Amino acid sequence: ETGVTQTPRHLVMGMTNKKSLKCEQHLGHNAMYWYKQSAKKPLELMFVYSLEERVENNSVPSRFSPECPNSSHLFLHLHTLQPEDSALYLCASSQAGYTDTQYFGPGTRLTVL
Amino acid sequence: EDQVTQSPEALRLQEGESSSLNCSYTVSGLRGLFWYRQDPGKGPEFLFTLYSAGEEKEKERLKATLTKKESFLHITAPKPEDSATYLCAVQLYNTDKLIFGTGTRLQVFP
Repeated sequence: ETGVTQTPRHLVMGMTNKKSLKCEQHLGHNAMYWYKQSAKKPLELMFVYSLEERVENNSVPSRFSPECPNSSHLFLHLHTLQPEDSALYLCASSQAGYTDTQYFGPGTRLTVL
Repeated sequence: EDQVTQSPEALRLQEGESSSLNCSYTVSGLRGLFWYRQDPGKGPEFLFTLYSAGEEKEKERLKATLTKKESFLHITAPKPEDSATYLCAVQLYNTDKLIFGTGTRLQVFP
């Protein structure tokens, strides 16, 4: 595997389900990000982890819970979501220090019924 | 408020018809400006980073330029495979945060 990978690529869940999105980066980076991309809207930053510590939480509802066990892996745990949470969820990674380019994974297309 | 605006929202070109995409920004302190390409159902793919006014970068048929208020992505003699959404993002000083525009959806017809 190379670059940034995300699983699953597609997910359909009910409002009462609990699921997790997984991201893995193979670039040797030490900062990881979760973004939400909805139609006709700019990418919205959700969470930033730098050196495995959360450094940014962009006013995201508590039904989204991130986890970063090490510098290569990032999870987004989902529970009791709403239909408006349906979107493409993108993971990205970079070298921490404010100067490096962010590289994105292919995304998980989430549909909440 | 920090803001990034891209225009046009959509652009249809004939193969070989050159054009430019615009990204204008109003930010408190620009660290860098990024261009990404995004194909349907995929994540954004990095194209360029520009750091200072007057800087230019080129890659195949694409050329990105930067002024103090905006950036242009020039596409010379585009091909159908250049069809994608092009995203612009700015990075502020002392932050890992990227502020994205809504993108320009480019379609190139043979």
